[in-house]
Amino acid sequence: AQSVTQLGSHVSVSEGALVLLRCNYSSSVPPYLFWYVQYPNQGLQLLLKYTSAATLVKGINGFEAEFKKSETSFHLTKPSAHMSDAAEYFCAVYNNNDMRFGAGTRLTVKP
Amino acid sequence: DVKVTQSSRYLVKRTGEKVFLECVQDMDHENMFWYRQDPGLGLRLIYFSYDVKMKEKGDIPEGYSVSREKKERFSLILESASTNQTSMYLCASSRPRLVTDTQYFGPGTRLTVL
Repeated sequence: AQSVTQLGSHVSVSEGALVLLRCNYSSSVPPYLFWYVQYPNQGLQLLLKYTSAATLVKGINGFEAEFKKSETSFHLTKPSAHMSDAAEYFCAVYNNNDMRFGAGTRLTVKP
Repeated sequence: DVKVTQSSRYLVKRTGEKVFLECVQDMDHENMFWYRQDPGLGLRLIYFSYDVKMKEKGDIPEGYSVSREKKERFSLILESASTNQTSMYLCASSRPRLVTDTQYFGPGTRLTVL
């Protein structure tokens, strides 16, 4: 069965600092990978997805993620955090009609 | 833009009540999903549907049922609500058999069972 592990349930960064949210997956076949963001009191919104094309995927709001097969990772980064990036972020893996979400990482941005 | 709407943002019910959570999508998506979101557990799939009148159990279907009478509407039913069903419920929809396509989520319903 496939699964996703997000390292760190809470991450805090200063405004302007690098954002790094970690995601490792387990899948027996090449996966499709997603990052979603959830702002307070809202549903999930797609940030970006990996579909076996380019390994570096650019998403909305300046986020990007790199698929590394050798490390089974799909970490999310943003060079410079903004206050509006404060939210919860979910990594997900998809295969064979089965989508699995990680437990989520709450990002706090300090002024 | 895809729009997924849920009938209530906040709901408070009593133990033993029958609860209906409604979800409507406007993009003619065949696939619809109900998830439950709890802190530290991420999203867990309750039920999903690939077509009208069709349903499949997800990971945690116990205590829930669903109804899909029309393509755009997917209802989650708690036959007899219990306090351990207090949670955030998220509905999603997607296009069928396009594995790279996205699930679009509604805003969620926060249910409290007293």
